[in-house]
Amino acid sequence: VIWMTQSPSLLSASTGDRVTISCRMSQGISSYLAWYQQKPGKAPELLIYAASTLQSGVPSRFSGSGSGTDFTLTISCLQSEDFATYYCQQYYSFPWTFGQGTKVEIK
Amino acid sequence: EVQLVESGGGLIQPGGSLRLSCAASGFTVSSNYMSWVRQAPGKGLEWVSVIYSGGSTYYADSVKGRFTISRDNSKNTLYLQMNSLRAEDTAVYYCARLGWEDGYNSYYFDYWGQGTLVTVSS
Repeated sequence: VIWMTQSPSLLSASTGDRVTISCRMSQGISSYLAWYQQKPGKAPELLIYAASTLQSGVPSRFSGSGSGTDFTLTISCLQSEDFATYYCQQYYSFPWTFGQGTKVEIK
Repeated sequence: EVQLVESGGGLIQPGGSLRLSCAASGFTVSSNYMSWVRQAPGKGLEWVSVIYSGGSTYYADSVKGRFTISRDNSKNTLYLQMNSLRAEDTAVYYCARLGWEDGYNSYYFDYWGQGTLVTVSS
């Protein structure tokens, strides 16, 4: 099983801030990583796959980077609709696993 | 437009069985990899099961031997048969389509349904 450490678990920020979320793997996964956004009571939505490929329709203020064991999701200029919980997911090997989540809240 | 609509959740006693359905539109279920992912109340996401377009199936250890994923091609619908349910199976269950990369099936989830809540309690 590949263990994932996502940090921070809670991030307080203001509109317009640049925020970064980290996801660290217990072993290398090349670029087999996705990022999702989930708002309360809603299903997750795909933001990024293959570590850095932006899903169609996702705003360009979202970006992903990294490979191997260390990955980052960056929101360049936080908007009001970005306050949500974010999850990383590895799909390098079974079982596919998710990070614990990062809640981005209004400061 | 791709849509996934789950149904079949509810309150069930421990040891009971339930079958979840996921009706798809806008694409063909049998030509895609399809999965179930669950989320316990207030918790994170947990992958449960996948069915490949060729019919192969895989399960998380936590549900292996108790859950069965299947599809009905004529109805373009995905199912999850859940037997021997336990309190720890309580969760919102999402069906999700797996995405594509460069024309090949990949293993991230590009479309999700709205979820159906399963509560296992006496």
